[in-house]
Amino acid sequence: DTAVSQTPKYLVTQMGNDKSIKCEQNLGHDTMYWYKQDSKKFLKIMFSYNNKELIINETVPNRFSPKSPDKAHLNLHINSLELGDSAVYFCASSRFKNTGELFFGEGSRLTVL
Amino acid sequence: SQQGEEDPQALSIQEGENATMNCSYKTSINNLQWYRQNSGRGLVHLILIRSNEREKHSGRLRVTLDTSKKSSSLLITASRAADTASYFCATAPQGGSEKLVFGKGMKLTVNP
Repeated sequence: DTAVSQTPKYLVTQMGNDKSIKCEQNLGHDTMYWYKQDSKKFLKIMFSYNNKELIINETVPNRFSPKSPDKAHLNLHINSLELGDSAVYFCASSRFKNTGELFFGEGSRLTVL
Repeated sequence: SQQGEEDPQALSIQEGENATMNCSYKTSINNLQWYRQNSGRGLVHLILIRSNEREKHSGRLRVTLDTSKKSSSLLITASRAADTASYFCATAPQGGSEKLVFGKGMKLTVNP
């Protein structure tokens, strides 16, 4: 069973479109994250939720909106996509919010044309 | 902001050799973690070392932490072709932040 699963794995879309990436974890963890990895492999945190409550909200354009319907799910919606949004987006989870081990999904590669 | 910085940025070795990767960071930490990322895959946690620990082992991995120099090293002994991947250090800053901050990563190539 996949511990952290995210869909879709690949997204190719035009500038200006809206897209969503879904993430689910079956580890029973309390905390979930979205990270963005750019073309140089640099990994930067975007958001974190603990028990459905937003606890980290980095300087991210408000075109990005996370949503956590329950503690096992964290989705990412992106409005008005721009070329610079092209990246790999990783969902991750951890047992607690105190920066222990992170479990990552396989990533969703977003390409904006 | 970025915290860890791995060194070297790329390393190519022969199978059976040891690989050492270094990580330097800037602020005080609660713990430091190492992750591996195979091409096209997600990151996998390798080892966590707390700020009051100096050395930790896990299988062929050995991690050291020097808080006075704000640096850590990851040693992979008897490397295998399957160890080919990018390796990242990540720091958990002190002060109650829940944010794990990743370095730029280091590409290790193990040639068969």
